[in-house]
Amino acid sequence: EVQLVESGGGLVQPGGSLRLSCAASGFTFSSYWMSWVRQAPGKGLEWVANIKQDGSEKYYVDSVKGRFTISRDNAKNSLYLQMNSLRAEDTAVYYCARDWTIYFPANWGQGTLVTVSS
Amino acid sequence: AIRMTQSPSSFSASTGDRVTITCRASQGISSYLAWYQQKPGKAPKLLIYAASTLQSGVPSRFSGSGSGTDFTLTISCLQSEDFATYYCQQYYSYPPAFGQGTKVEIK
Repeated sequence: EVQLVESGGGLVQPGGSLRLSCAASGFTFSSYWMSWVRQAPGKGLEWVANIKQDGSEKYYVDSVKGRFTISRDNAKNSLYLQMNSLRAEDTAVYYCARDWTIYFPANWGQGTLVTVSS
Repeated sequence: AIRMTQSPSSFSASTGDRVTITCRASQGISSYLAWYQQKPGKAPKLLIYAASTLQSGVPSRFSGSGSGTDFTLTISCLQSEDFATYYCQQYYSYPPAFGQGTKVEIK
């Protein structure tokens, strides 16, 4: 069974940093693109970033380019999202997802809440 | 960027009703479309991919159709557990985009 467990969320001040982690199990992690998708409170879904199986390609939504970095450690079956220069509008539940093909997040974790506030 | 527009944004229905949600892409996406169901406080759950392929384990009352720019999700006989918010998503090109969601409420 595919399992994705996010961690690392919390309260951070504007301009601060946070690193999210996603522990994957139940599948061959190194064989899949992986994504982060977020959902602001009471709002819809927004794709944030994805990363190729070997980490050689990474894509980001424009609003986080230059501030967020996606990475992975295939030896640890883990996905990461380093978030710097956080803004109030980054407040959201962040979901880790396994992509069945590029840009198609088919399996989702339970999410971790990031709150950016002073 | 491709924009996805769902209609309606919300509506009320009764158990047993046949309901249809539409999703329109701002440009052609072939059949690179998925539908998700989300309940409050939970992660989205994949229902349909490739516009019309039912995900394993999803009840057959759910169906999807369309290609190009116009797509529909149909629930043939609404059950109590189907009251939720539904999202379409294109995975044809960067950046992948979701519709704004359609909330199905109990009448």
